[in-house]
Amino acid sequence: AQSVTQLDSHVSVSEGTPVLLRCNYSSSYSPSLFWYVQHPNKGLQLLLKYTSAATLVKGINGFEAEFKKSETSFHLTKPSAHMSDAAEYFCVVSDESPTSGTYKYIFGTGTRLKVLA
Amino acid sequence: NAGVTQTPKFQVLKTGQSMTLQCAQDMNHEYMSWYRQDPGMGLRLIHYSVGAGITDQGEVPNGYNVSRSTTEDFPLRLLSAAPSQTSVYFCASSYAVRNNEQFFGPGTRLTVL
Repeated sequence: AQSVTQLDSHVSVSEGTPVLLRCNYSSSYSPSLFWYVQHPNKGLQLLLKYTSAATLVKGINGFEAEFKKSETSFHLTKPSAHMSDAAEYFCVVSDESPTSGTYKYIFGTGTRLKVLA
Repeated sequence: NAGVTQTPKFQVLKTGQSMTLQCAQDMNHEYMSWYRQDPGMGLRLIHYSVGAGITDQGEVPNGYNVSRSTTEDFPLRLLSAAPSQTSVYFCASSYAVRNNEQFFGPGTRLTVL
């Protein structure tokens, strides 16, 4: 069965320093992977997605993620954190069921990013 | 386009009451789903639908019913509310291709006393 593990529940960085949010996935087939961001008391917004094209994916607000099949990872990075990046980030896998032919989106438990002035 | 809309935004219920959370989308998406969000647990899939007349269970379906009579609407029914159903509920929709991103509604904050 597919699953997603976000390795850190909380990450703190200083403004202007790099951000690394880690995500590992388990999937029997060729998955699609997504990162979403949720600001406090808001809905979810797509940051970026991987769909078996380029392994390095660029998203909005300077974020990017690299798909590494050998490591089953899809870590999210940003070269320089901004105060407005403080939010919760979710890694998501979409995978097709071999039995039903349908697919589901499975969410990680989230990483709360704190940016220190 | 309004995107994905959810009503109500907030709701307080007493244990044993029933209610329906409404979700509608105007993007002609085939795929719709309901999630609940609880602290430290991410979003967990309750039910999903790949088109009108087709629904299936997610990870945490107990205590909830859904139906999909039209492409646009996907209501979630709580049959007999319990305090364990206190949560924030999100509806989402997408085209029925697995590499398409989901669009989320603003959420419904439900408290069951």
